[in-house]
Amino acid sequence: RKEVEQDPGPFNVPEGATVAFNCTYSNSASQSFFWYRQDCRKEPKLLMSVYSSGNEDGRFTAQLNRASQYISLLIRDSKLSDSATYLCVVNGASGSARQLTFGSGTQLTVLP
Amino acid sequence: DAEITQSPRHKITETGRQVTLACHQTWNHNNMFWYRQDLGHGLRLIHYSYGVQDTNKGEVSDGYSVSRSNTEDLPLTLESAASSQTSVYFCASSEPGQGALEQFFGPGTRLTVL
Repeated sequence: RKEVEQDPGPFNVPEGATVAFNCTYSNSASQSFFWYRQDCRKEPKLLMSVYSSGNEDGRFTAQLNRASQYISLLIRDSKLSDSATYLCVVNGASGSARQLTFGSGTQLTVLP
Repeated sequence: DAEITQSPRHKITETGRQVTLACHQTWNHNNMFWYRQDLGHGLRLIHYSYGVQDTNKGEVSDGYSVSRSNTEDLPLTLESAASSQTSVYFCASSEPGQGALEQFFGPGTRLTVL
């Protein structure tokens, strides 16, 4: 089982749609959770951290379920500019609390 | 503004040659990391450093080495390049902390080994 698993997609959605990505992680001791965004042929950049109580940043909502070891990202009112690959990132998956383990990413294309 | 840079941005080399990829950050971060990214595998950790003179092996360290002689730089060396090392390489840095904090990535180096 991979340490961090994501549905690779691709997800093709129309503008204005709501889309949700899911991610599971294997290490129950993980304490830090992130969603990164990676545009084609560019470096990953932090989209948002994921907190235990869930958190929202504009059109983006992240949720954490520690019992199920599950993280989600919800994007509302999708924009063309949201097209990218979304990486689920967890610390401690490789045994070190200071290291991050990246999922393979979920590709999103928002269509006009 | 603080930043993290990588050079070269693109490199083509031949099997068996030694190659060094540079990474330089002006964030004054203690933690620095090297990843490779391949289709279907996501980002995989090659080597990392938590400070000057500190280096550690990551998940896929075979065939690679790093050195940390100052805070700003963590060069990655491929001792004898192999075709399996054709990949996109990303350097990253983060502030020290008890847990894992946000990592800031460089723009990447595309390496092709023929």
